[in-house]
Amino acid sequence: GAVVSQHPSRVICKSGTSVKIECRSLDFQATTMFWYRQFPKQSLMLMATSNEGSKATYEQGVEKDKFLINHASLTLSTLTVTSAHPEDSSFYICSARPWPGQGIGELFFGEGSRLTVL
Amino acid sequence: GQSLEQPSEVTAVEGAIVQINCTYQTSGFYGLSWYQQHDGGAPTFLSYNGLDGLEETGRFSSFLSRSDSYGYLLLQELQMKDSASYFCVPLQGGKLIFGQGTELSVKP
Repeated sequence: GAVVSQHPSRVICKSGTSVKIECRSLDFQATTMFWYRQFPKQSLMLMATSNEGSKATYEQGVEKDKFLINHASLTLSTLTVTSAHPEDSSFYICSARPWPGQGIGELFFGEGSRLTVL
Repeated sequence: GQSLEQPSEVTAVEGAIVQINCTYQTSGFYGLSWYQQHDGGAPTFLSYNGLDGLEETGRFSSFLSRSDSYGYLLLQELQMKDSASYFCVPLQGGKLIFGQGTELSVKP
């Protein structure tokens, strides 16, 4: 199956710093990628839809200036958590749908990035 | 808007069959996906129903009835490794919005 690679898998940073998370589709092109966050014992919350070559579409309640998303190529999307605070500590997961698609309902997920802000 | 209902927890024994039901109310509904997530891991795709009826993939089957806004995931010959969270995920306007999921515990 298609492979999505996410890096770093774990990151610890100090409050006030910025952290960049990369999401790459390794063996397929993805015009659209999705970013989710997940708190312990909770479900995945969709943060934003990342569109190649255009601005991301953020879900209601997600601060676009806080969570900067860039989708510069058909295989790479990045999420930058700016001025991170302890409440931003979470599990961030990216996903991608292959294009041209083989299954509209199928997303391939990265391994996730666990962010801890001290 | 969207609402989803699936049981929060299900317990079954090895070798048994379990059915996880899902009812949904979603605008712009295209179809229903099912995902599995083990603790600490990323979700993995199990199946997608774009049309009414049953889809079978190995030990897993998924069913959709659009008229009833209802679907289910059927897991047969349960194994310990099936212990995980299972999410029914309506496809809404190209986006997959996850609900709270069902935590399945498989006992020996």
